[in-house]
Amino acid sequence: EIVLTQSPATLSLSPGERATLSCRSSQSVSSFLAWYQQKPGQAPRLLIFDASYRATGIPARFSGSGSGTDFTLTISSLEPEDFAVYYCQQRSNWPWTFGQGTKVEIK
Amino acid sequence: ELQLVESGGGLVQPGRSLRLSCAASGFTFDDYGMHWVRQAPGKGLEWVSGISWNSGSTAYADSVKGRFTISRDNTKNSLYLQMNSLRAEDMAVYYCAKDTGFWSGYFAFWGPGTLITVSS
Repeated sequence: EIVLTQSPATLSLSPGERATLSCRSSQSVSSFLAWYQQKPGQAPRLLIFDASYRATGIPARFSGSGSGTDFTLTISSLEPEDFAVYYCQQRSNWPWTFGQGTKVEIK
Repeated sequence: ELQLVESGGGLVQPGRSLRLSCAASGFTFDDYGMHWVRQAPGKGLEWVSGISWNSGSTAYADSVKGRFTISRDNTKNSLYLQMNSLRAEDMAVYYCAKDTGFWSGYFAFWGPGTLITVSS
């Protein structure tokens, strides 16, 4: 099973700041990686797929990069609604797995 | 409007069975793979099972293999998860999720979830 390790566990930032979230895979997943956002009491929402492609309706301030084993989700300028938990997920190998999440909280 | 609505959750004793349903609307159901993803209280996400658009392919997490069965009825725009021999560690919110394609492995849209509580 591919293990995805996200860092940091918690990111404390202010609105307007840049957020950089990391996801590292235990083995190469090529570009088969997605990012999701989850707010308290809500279902997750797909942000990025295939490492760098924004899903429909996702603002341009969200961007993804990386390939192989190292991936990054960047939020260029945090809006109040962006404070949430973010998960990465791989679809390269069965079983499809998620990282443990990074919480982006208001500083 | 795209919509997924799960049902069938509730309190169940260990060792018993439960069947979840997911009603889909707002998209061409039989064009997409479908999945179940769960989240234990206060924990992260775990993919449970998936089924391709035509039921030709199914897959399961090792933690549920042999106990859970996924199925779909494209005539009813519905997805199902038959859960047998339930354990305490199966307690979670179960989300129904639409694939981004026939069988891509990404989860484009999620229902609100249904809570399964396993307790005696």
